[in-house]
Amino acid sequence: EPEVTQTPSHQVTQMGQEVILRCVPISNHLYFYWYRQILGQKVEFLVSFYNNEISEKSEIFDDQFSVERPDGSNFTLKIRSTKLEDSAMYFCASGRAGSTEAFFGQGTRLTVV
Amino acid sequence: AQSVSQHNHHVILSEAASLELGCNYSYGGTVNLFWYVQYPGQHLQLLLKYFSGDPLVKGIKGFEAEFIKSKFSFNLRKPSVQWSDTAEYFCAVNAGYSTLTFGKGTMLLVSP
Repeated sequence: EPEVTQTPSHQVTQMGQEVILRCVPISNHLYFYWYRQILGQKVEFLVSFYNNEISEKSEIFDDQFSVERPDGSNFTLKIRSTKLEDSAMYFCASGRAGSTEAFFGQGTRLTVV
Repeated sequence: AQSVSQHNHHVILSEAASLELGCNYSYGGTVNLFWYVQYPGQHLQLLLKYFSGDPLVKGIKGFEAEFIKSKFSFNLRKPSVQWSDTAEYFCAVNAGYSTLTFGKGTMLLVSP
């Protein structure tokens, strides 16, 4: 069964460093999402991406965040200058055209020290 | 804006006990409702979903949920839990093709 895969599963980085979280969505899906979950809090929407551009973003998704689909298979989330409060589990998800269902990856746990 | 609240953060049950996890949402229009489960170390998986029609929906692994529109609720149920149901359970909603709004999650621990 096809699934969304995320790498790495866990990343530790120093405050101020840039990180790139990688996702390979399900191959025939057209909608891509990033969500995050800070420990003990809700899963929060960050950004959605369709047709090679951001279709929606939350207020969390400020200028330090960016997304890219560099090669037609990967979907990346870049955090330019990490802060302690960026420590969270980051989930990538993808969805088919015409469907409201999202398929999630297993998440990347980002720890900023 | 939509919001979702899950009543319990942690639930501990013995095997064979019945389960009901509460979920309430706030939104004025038509919504789609979901329950996701995350087993330890694994990705979020869809348990079941409601779009329209029969308000009692059946999902995988013996789970079901009932949409009660008048109560803005979508509670998850299972008549007899197993140790393997230990996981975190998330209720989520969206309107049309909009992004998902999640509840905080409920951690279920089933003791053998």
